[in-house]
Amino acid sequence: DAGVIQSPRHEVTEMGQEVTLRCKPISGHNSLFWYRQTMMRGLELLIYFNNNVPIDDSGMPEDRFSAKMPNASFSTLKIQPSEPRDSAVYFCASSLEGVEGYTFGSGTRLTVV
Amino acid sequence: AQTVTQSQPEMSVQEAETVTLSCTYDTSESNYYLFWYKQPPSRQMILVIRQEAYKQQNATENRFSVNFQKAAKSFSLKISDSQLGDTAMYFCAFMKRNAGNMLTFGGGTRLMVKP
Repeated sequence: DAGVIQSPRHEVTEMGQEVTLRCKPISGHNSLFWYRQTMMRGLELLIYFNNNVPIDDSGMPEDRFSAKMPNASFSTLKIQPSEPRDSAVYFCASSLEGVEGYTFGSGTRLTVV
Repeated sequence: AQTVTQSQPEMSVQEAETVTLSCTYDTSESNYYLFWYKQPPSRQMILVIRQEAYKQQNATENRFSVNFQKAAKSFSLKISDSQLGDTAMYFCAFMKRNAGNMLTFGGGTRLMVKP
């Protein structure tokens, strides 16, 4: 398996633009997680899907953020409109049972100027 | 809510020596899991080791071992025979069983292995 695949690896955008981050989980994994990493706040869970259904989105910072998982092999995290404070590394991770630990993607470094 | 604390923001160790990274957590749960993840400069998050709270035996993975003290809510990582490739951020993480299996991470410890 190629692991969890995220795209793009880097994204630079202007304030106010829409940004879409993509994730392909490991085939067969039934849970998918989006995390954000910043120097100030560390690793924060944004949203969690189980069997394609959003279970907990309490970490989504505000309405500008939305996430979807239309099928078991694809998820998106969208920011609209983007702001400079959204600059961070966004990780997607997947797991089968969870207790074995997650497999993380390589992350997307987002810079909003 | 669970909290995970890593009290050492940065550490360094000489190559081939042993280093221990500290982690404490706060929970009222009895059924949970603990993890250490490594994040090298490539930024990839790599699972190093996991511990099941109901197991008293400390987990080991090659040069990596943990000292799990359940009563003290402590979960330290020992790296033996440190190698240059061990240079990375290390994150301790907590997972409550049967609650969405969500990971809560500590703030991380930056480890530098010096030649």
